[in-house]
Amino acid sequence: KQEVTQIPAALSVPEGENLVLNCSFTDSAIYNLQWFRQDPGKGLTSLLLIQSSQREQTSGRLNASLDKSSGRSTLYIAASQPGDSATYLCAVTDNAGKSTFGDGTTLTVKP
Amino acid sequence: EAGVTQSPTHLIKTRGQQATLRCSPISGHTSVYWYQQALGLGLQFLLWYDEGEERNRGNFPPRFSGRQFPNYSSELNVNALELEDSALYLCASSPWTSGSYEQYFGPGTRLTVT
Repeated sequence: KQEVTQIPAALSVPEGENLVLNCSFTDSAIYNLQWFRQDPGKGLTSLLLIQSSQREQTSGRLNASLDKSSGRSTLYIAASQPGDSATYLCAVTDNAGKSTFGDGTTLTVKP
Repeated sequence: EAGVTQSPTHLIKTRGQQATLRCSPISGHTSVYWYQQALGLGLQFLLWYDEGEERNRGNFPPRFSGRQFPNYSSELNVNALELEDSALYLCASSPWTSGSYEQYFGPGTRLTVT
């Protein structure tokens, strides 16, 4: 059974800092890994998708890496802004299309 | 391009009743996923439909069921509601037939069981 762990559970940083969110998974037989953000009481917004054959993806100030063999992914956020405050979730999808989500990291960026 | 839509936004039911939640995927997407996000818990995978068929199911009792229509929209039905069914129910769609499982989420339906 796939298990996804995100560390830390919560993070508070001053505006402008660069930060790293971590995601680990127990079964390396994944099809892809996707990072999302969720604002309180809202749905999820897709940030980055990394296919199992890829090592990283970038979008603006976000960079996600994937090391499938070690079961790890990181989400790097550069020059953080108060608008980045949200819960960040990672999800791994297996070849049968089933996704397993981590519990998320709640990020607070202070002005 | 319109995103994933869900209705209703909020739903209040009493224990023992049935609830029906609806989801319309992004145009061109054939797959619909349903998730439950209870307070204090992570997203739990409920169901996956593609091309009108149930492809996979999470660890939920049979009173959670659904279907996908020819236009790829989907319904989630929850029978014999229990208090612990109170949660945010999220629907996602993906263009699975393209070989991608990238999921796009709707805003959710907040179900409250009293």
